Amino acid sequence: DVQLWESGGGFIQPGGSVRLSCATSGFTFNIYAMSWIRQAPGKGLEWVSTLSGRGTTYSAASLKGRFTISRDNSKNTVYLEMNNLRGEDTAIYYCAKVRVDQQADFDYWGQGTLVTVSS
Amino acid sequence: QSVLTQPPSASGTPGQRVSISCSGNNSNIGTYHVYWYQQLPGTAPKLLVYRNNQRSSGVPDRFSGSKSGTSASLAISGLRSEDEADYHCAAWDGSLNGPVFGGGTKLTVL
Repeated sequence: DVQLWESGGGFIQPGGSVRLSCATSGFTFNIYAMSWIRQAPGKGLEWVSTLSGRGTTYSAASLKGRFTISRDNSKNTVYLEMNNLRGEDTAIYYCAKVRVDQQADFDYWGQGTLVTVSS
Repeated sequence: QSVLTQPPSASGTPGQRVSISCSGNNSNIGTYHVYWYQQLPGTAPKLLVYRNNQRSSGVPDRFSGSKSGTSASLAISGLRSEDEADYHCAAWDGSLNGPVFGGGTKLTVL
């Protein structure tokens, strides 16, 4: 069975940093792109970033380079480093497996981890 | 402000057919496949329909997707109480070089 589980969320002060992790199992991790998608309270889904199996990165321009996606294929894990956090970054952050590159094709999702940016 | 446009809410009674629309432009829906995600209360989204009209494994045939030009829709027939959820449409956007989502439609079964 494919499983994804996120960790690393919590309360962060404005301007602070945090690294989210998404551990996976049940599929050949290194050949699939992985994405981070967030959902602010009561809002819709917002794509954050994608890292392909070959190392190509795509990120939402609105983040202005504050977030960095990376992966460790030896640990079947994808990460999201978030810097200079703002209140509007408060959201549930989901990692998702991308079935087909350059499509909105997210066939498996984790349960999400909540990041709250507040003083 | 989401790139794709969905109605914020929809409703129907058990057994009815409801349809949820998703509108985009030529950079996204007009060129790329549309995907639909179902998000039950308090849970993560789940892929419901892929490549415009293909149902994911285990999804009942009461759910059907379609696409025409720069718009798409998700139809649910024989509405059941367990269909009450948020539904999100998504597509790749060639101009933004990333996937874009609709704002989500909250479906209420009356």
